[in-house]
Amino acid sequence: DAKTTQPPSMDCAEGRAANLPCNHSTISGNEYVYWYRQIHSQGPQYIIHGLKNNETNEMASLIITEDRKSSTLILPHATLRDTAVYYCIVRAYSGGGADGLTFGKGTHLIIQP
Amino acid sequence: GAGVSQSPSNKVTEKGKDVELRCDPISGHTALYWYRQSLGQGLEFLIYFQGNSAPDKSGLPSDRFSAERTGGSVSTLTIQRTQQEDSAVYLCASSLSGQGNEKLFFGSGTQLSVL
Repeated sequence: DAKTTQPPSMDCAEGRAANLPCNHSTISGNEYVYWYRQIHSQGPQYIIHGLKNNETNEMASLIITEDRKSSTLILPHATLRDTAVYYCIVRAYSGGGADGLTFGKGTHLIIQP
Repeated sequence: GAGVSQSPSNKVTEKGKDVELRCDPISGHTALYWYRQSLGQGLEFLIYFQGNSAPDKSGLPSDRFSAERTGGSVSTLTIQRTQQEDSAVYLCASSLSGQGNEKLFFGSGTQLSVL
């Protein structure tokens, strides 16, 4: 079973920031939070990951709460091409292998024109 | 190659037939993963290969499913005596060494339809 909980769907207006929440209340100290997204008919694509500090890259920002029990993926200026299913997973640094590779149903983000 | 390559992209078969799905990981990646995604569902982990180690088969749903990885590169997922419930997209991913802090790179998948 996935260790994360996400809303099944969200809408966001084009050009606005999309904020996607993820709950991971049972996260362990050595587990990273990863975000992937899957555009229709394609394989999932890595977006960002973090341990406890907030992270930013060219695609998105990741905000992790101080207690690490939840996080938010932020797409600062959503475009229609950002419409996709977004998956939040947790995975241990040292575990590797097959551990922590379960993807739940994710959040279907729909960007409205 | 530039990315993870899977073939065929689509496969239609009749119930009871065997099928083979191929995955060519990114060159130099020693870890390889197979997933299954049924319509409207998340990704279900099937099997994991790491270098020359014995594969982690903990996700395989039945003994009709098997996979091998020859020469530490290309992998083949075989489904014997296919059933209609096997219809799904089969995704392959690879990563550099299989450590937990690595990102996975996915192929575009094989859409399997069992009639």
